[in-house]
Amino acid sequence: GENVEQHPSTLSVQEGDSAVIKCTYSDSASNYFPWYKQELGKGPQLIIDIRSNVGEKKDQRIAVTLNKTAKHFSLHITETQPEDSAVYFCAASSRDDKIIFGKGTRLHILP
Amino acid sequence: NAGVTQTPKFRILKIGQSMTLQCTQDMNHNYMYWYRQDPGMGLKLIYYSVGAGITDKGEVPNGYNVSRSTTEDFPLRLELAAPSQTSVYFCASSYSGQGRGSNQPQHFGDGTRLSIL
Repeated sequence: GENVEQHPSTLSVQEGDSAVIKCTYSDSASNYFPWYKQELGKGPQLIIDIRSNVGEKKDQRIAVTLNKTAKHFSLHITETQPEDSAVYFCAASSRDDKIIFGKGTRLHILP
Repeated sequence: NAGVTQTPKFRILKIGQSMTLQCTQDMNHNYMYWYRQDPGMGLKLIYYSVGAGITDKGEVPNGYNVSRSTTEDFPLRLELAAPSQTSVYFCASSYSGQGRGSNQPQHFGDGTRLSIL
């Protein structure tokens, strides 16, 4: 079945710097790749997603890139702010109506 | 819209007790999911449903049961609680439209924190 690997598990960046989180997936049939942000005590919330017919997508300070050949996709956050501190999950669709999640990255924004 | 609502928010159970975690959504979504989240382990799918009357097992279904009698509600039942079921449980929903539910964003509730002692 589909497997999603996410790195790093923890990331600390200085406020104002950029943060990059990387994921790989195993199923070449995957065609939908969402990213979720989870704040303490809350459920995950979608922040951006990308489909397999697109290589890059941007929404203000957040961007996602997809390399279908290499089966990896990345989340880029620029000009990080304290409110970006959270746990981020990547995910990939599987061929049987499921979404497979990575294990998460805890992002700390340092003052 | 309330979105996805989960109750209760917290619960402590004794080993062997049973309980039902409630999940309801008001977005008329056809797909609904139950996940458990253990520390450092991401989200693991327990059960999911593609519509009323249809349920299917996910990655970790043992010890759980579900039903989907209406579009809105998707309760998760623990029959004989075990310490290994201590976790945070999330319910989610999505709308598949003409395609697959796995190709659409999921909307999550805020979780039920369950401890079994």
